[in-house]
Amino acid sequence: DAGITQSPRHKVTETGTPVTLRCHQTENHRYMYWYRQDPGHGLRLIHYSYGVKDTDKGEVSDGYSVSRSKTEDFLLTLESATSSQTSVYFCATTGTGSPLHFGNGTRLTVT
Amino acid sequence: DQQVKQNSPSLSVQEGRISILNCDYTNSMFDYFLWYKKYPAEGPTFLISISSIKDKNEDGRFTVFLNKSAKHLSLHIVPSQPGDSAVYFCAASTANFGNEKLTFGTGTRLTIIP
Repeated sequence: DAGITQSPRHKVTETGTPVTLRCHQTENHRYMYWYRQDPGHGLRLIHYSYGVKDTDKGEVSDGYSVSRSKTEDFLLTLESATSSQTSVYFCATTGTGSPLHFGNGTRLTVT
Repeated sequence: DQQVKQNSPSLSVQEGRISILNCDYTNSMFDYFLWYKKYPAEGPTFLISISSIKDKNEDGRFTVFLNKSAKHLSLHIVPSQPGDSAVYFCAASTANFGNEKLTFGTGTRLTIIP
C-alpha cells in the first residue's frame, strides 16, 4: 500500500458540520490524490497535489478543499458536509515511474 | 459523461476457466490504460497496464489486450482462481507513470465459482 495511512477509517457526521480526512504517506512521493468511490460511478478524482502547497481541482471538487503543508500529509476538508458526500474516500500517491497506490479508504456517512 | 465504461457490473466464472473483463473508452487522448483490483474494505491495487503503442501486455495469468481503433480493452485471467474474486476497475490516463489523473470505469465484480 506504499505506506499510506488514512484516518479516520470510519466517520459518521451530521449535515452542515465540517469534516477533515487525513492521508499520511511514508514513501516521499511527490503526487497525492483524493478520490471518492460511489456505486455506479467508480472512482472519481476530487483534488490532487503535485507538491507542497501545490494543489489543483479534479472532476468533483465542489464542496471540498485540500491542503498540503508537508510532503507526507494531504488533508481533505468538507466545508459543510451534505448527504451527497456520503461515500468512501481514497487517498493515493505516486512517484515518478510508479503506478498509483491507494490507501485503504475512509468510509464517511453524513446523516 | 462516462469516458471509461465497464458495461458488465458482474461476472461469474468457474474456477480454472478464463475470465474476460471488458472496458470501453471514448476519449482518444487516453494513451495509457491500467487495471486495478479491489477487495472489500481495502484500497484498489494495481494489477497490469498497457501503453497505447502496444496491443498486448502479459504478466503471469493476466493479459491485457488493447484495440485502439475500437477504443476497447480487455483483461484476461487464465486460469481463474478463487482469490481472483474481487471488483476490477479499468482506468485510463494521458500520462505515463507521472502525474496520473486516472479516469476510472464503474467496475466489474468478478466471482470465481469453486
